[in-house]
Order: sequence, then C-alpha cells, then structure tokens
Amino acid sequence: AQSVTQPDIHITVSEGASLELRCNYSYGATPYLFWYVQSPGQGLQLLLKYFSGDTLVQGIKGFEAEFKRSQSSFNLRKPSVHWSDAAEYFCAVDLNAGGTSYGKLTFGQGTILTVHP
Amino acid sequence: DVKVTQSSRYLVKRTGEKVFLECVQDMDHENMFWYRQDPGLGLRLIYFSYDVKMKEKGDIPEGYSVSREKKERFSLILESASTNQTSMYLCASIATSNTGELFFGEGSRLTVL
Repeated sequence: AQSVTQPDIHITVSEGASLELRCNYSYGATPYLFWYVQSPGQGLQLLLKYFSGDTLVQGIKGFEAEFKRSQSSFNLRKPSVHWSDAAEYFCAVDLNAGGTSYGKLTFGQGTILTVHP
Repeated sequence: DVKVTQSSRYLVKRTGEKVFLECVQDMDHENMFWYRQDPGLGLRLIYFSYDVKMKEKGDIPEGYSVSREKKERFSLILESASTNQTSMYLCASIATSNTGELFFGEGSRLTVL
C-alpha cells in the first residue's frame, strides 16, 4: 500500500544541536514531497517542497531536506536548532505528481520535536 | 495575507448531536479539504471539494458529510456525533494552479461526551 512513514514519534535535542527528521515513502513513482510544521495551537505551515531537479531543497526557518530516490527518503535537516523550533513536523506526499490531484496530500504520522535549553 | 478561518476552536458535544464545523477561506481557492488529526496517526483526509457543490470522499469519510454551497465556505457535518469522533479537525485550501502549499486553519478541537 502507498504510505508515508515517519519512524520517530518524538525527538529531543539540545538547543544549538543539529537535527535530522526522517521520512520514507512507499510508492512506485517519485511523488511530490513536502515538509510541514505545526507549532502549538496553530495550523500547519509549509517548510519546503520537492518536485524535481536538485535533490537538496532549502526551506524557511533555516531548514533543508534531501531527496534520495534510492532510499525513498526525504529527510529534513537543520544544522543548529533554536528553542522556537519546538513543534510537530509532518512529511507529506502528493501521490498524483504531475497529474490532477487538486492538492490532495497524504501525511506521515508526525514527529514531535522537543528542544532543551 | 491568506486566511483560512475555522469558526469554532473548541466544541463540546454530546453523543448523538448533529455537529457543524465551518471553514471559510478568503483566497478564492478552488480546492478545500477537511482533515482529522489524531496523535500518532498524523492527518487523515475526510473529504475534499474541488468546486462548488462538488465533493469527493477521502480516506475516512464514514460518519461525516460535507457541504460546499459557496466557493469560500466548506462545512463538515457530523450527523450523529460519537465519542470516537473526538479529535482535532483541520480545514485547508489550495488553488488548482498551485501544487503543494496547502493553507490551513488553526483547527477545531471537538470533544464528544
């Protein structure tokens, strides 16, 4: 079955440490790939997206993600985490990439990030 | 600034009640969505609409219906609320020409007693 997996439910890092959040998808073709962030009490906000081309994409708030076709992965990274990055992060895919999807996304389970001072 | 507004942030209802969750967007987007968010399950699509009066079932439509009489408004209806529908409900919208950036409301947290 087509799916999006975020293996880590909860990650804790110290402020200033590096961060990597994992995302794997199970799909025959390469979908469009996204990372969203949800701060406490807020809706989701788009961090970055990958459609094609350069496999390393830059997003807002200093985040980047790398698409690896061989591993069916799209991991999110940040070199130095700030306390304000504490939030829940969702990987998402558009399984109808290049077709008419109306923007319908399939989301992973989410990873909660806690940042210690 | 783009805006998706969900009229109720918190609701408490009793089993069997009819519940309406309202969502309004001011961006003239064609496509609107209702997701349900539960811990450990992420967001699951309930219904979406790609035009006025048009709707399609998502992954978990059972127990829900929707209404889209005007382009800017998309309503989620629980005909007879049950305790297993206690959840966070998120509305989102996107223009057909724009792939990927869903704009989300802040969510409606529903508790069914």
